[in-house]
Amino acid sequence: AQSVTQPDIHITVSEGASLELRCNYSYGATPYLFWYVQSPGQGLQLLLKYFSGDTLVQGIKGFEAEFKRSQSSFNLRKPSVHWSDAAEYFCAVGAYSGGGADGLTFGKGTHLIIQP
Amino acid sequence: EAGVAQSPRYKIIEKRQSVAFWCNPISGHATLYWYQQILGQGPKLLIQFQNNGVVDDSQLPKDRFSAERLKGVDSTLKIQPAKLEDSAVYLCASSSPLTSGNNEQFFGPGTRLTVL
Repeated sequence: AQSVTQPDIHITVSEGASLELRCNYSYGATPYLFWYVQSPGQGLQLLLKYFSGDTLVQGIKGFEAEFKRSQSSFNLRKPSVHWSDAAEYFCAVGAYSGGGADGLTFGKGTHLIIQP
Repeated sequence: EAGVAQSPRYKIIEKRQSVAFWCNPISGHATLYWYQQILGQGPKLLIQFQNNGVVDDSQLPKDRFSAERLKGVDSTLKIQPAKLEDSAVYLCASSSPLTSGNNEQFFGPGTRLTVL
């Protein structure tokens, strides 16, 4: 069965500092990997996704993530965070089968706090 | 393009009562998902539809939860009777490889259910 681990429940970063959120996955085949962001009371917004090809993917809001097959990781990074980045971040893994895109398996999330 | 619509946004009921949630996916999206997100956790897939057929309902508590997608468009998720542990946000998502790329799912704003 597939699984996603986000080892950091909370992370506090100063505004303007760099950010890295960790994600490790377990999946039997080549996974499709995603990062979503959820602000309080809001739905999930897709930040970026990896399907194949270049292992460094660019997303919205200045985020990027790197897929490392050897480490089963898909860490999210941002060079300089803004106060508006404070939110809950979820890593997810999925696949595509004959029945359409499979349901995603999510990690438990990392709560990002931005210090002024 | 209109997003995934859900209603109601909030619902408060007492345990043992019944409740229903409605979802209208993005037009043309054949695949529809219902997720349950308990406070402090990532979303968990409950059921996946491909058109009006069920693809995966392995994590749906079938003794109290039911879902249908008549005519392959709108969907309804029902809980009868509700338990305290059903308090959560219920997220609906849709996808289509023809319009949204491999396995990208678009999420609605969710319905927050509180069971007293």
